[in-house]
Amino acid sequence: QQQVKQSPQSLIVQKGGISIINCAYENTAFDYFPWYQQFPGKGPALLIAIRPDVSEKKEGRFTISFNKSAKQFSLHIMDSQPGDSATYFCAASKWDDKIIFGKGTRLHILP
Amino acid sequence: DAGITQSPRHKVTETGTPVTLRCHQTENHRYMYWYRQDPGHGLRLIHYSYGVKDTDKGEVSDGYSVSRSKTEDFLLTLESATSSQTSVYFCAISERVGAEAFFGQGTRLTVV
Repeated sequence: QQQVKQSPQSLIVQKGGISIINCAYENTAFDYFPWYQQFPGKGPALLIAIRPDVSEKKEGRFTISFNKSAKQFSLHIMDSQPGDSATYFCAASKWDDKIIFGKGTRLHILP
Repeated sequence: DAGITQSPRHKVTETGTPVTLRCHQTENHRYMYWYRQDPGHGLRLIHYSYGVKDTDKGEVSDGYSVSRSKTEDFLLTLESATSSQTSVYFCAISERVGAEAFFGQGTRLTVV
């Protein structure tokens, strides 16, 4: 049972554009929503995370938007750069349970 | 990078042979995980450990076993490797379940 659904599977964005990746979850008990970034040949690494008590969190060019009522959250990458080309995973977890990952989005930023 | 070392980094093995992958951490984190990553499936949890000799199954545990005899080492064993187990395997650690996970560099396993 897939508890975190991520879309799109792949995304191509022009340099300087906005990249948007969406995730939806089912379990209302989730209280931690991280995004991981993975470059080829490397392990995933935490990029940014949000708790459900806020609707948005911004770190530099990366923003998480969170909609608790819709059970959706998204990652926005502003002014996308070729160095942002990577695979992005959304995830969710409860305080006392394992992290559930989405299937990933391969992002390619055109130079 | 968090102190996580996976070995080997690459391995080719024949169907039916046993294979053991090793994860070693220097962070003294309680939780350790083994994931496999396959195109179209993302990261899927195989097994995890919440302490020495304490392990539990993940969503794709069939055909795999694990052991943790020391805090710093978590071993993943394929008792009899099959072609469907060709994948990239990642070890991860965390201070507590549900918290930020730190991943190793991965092991690319090919079963021929």
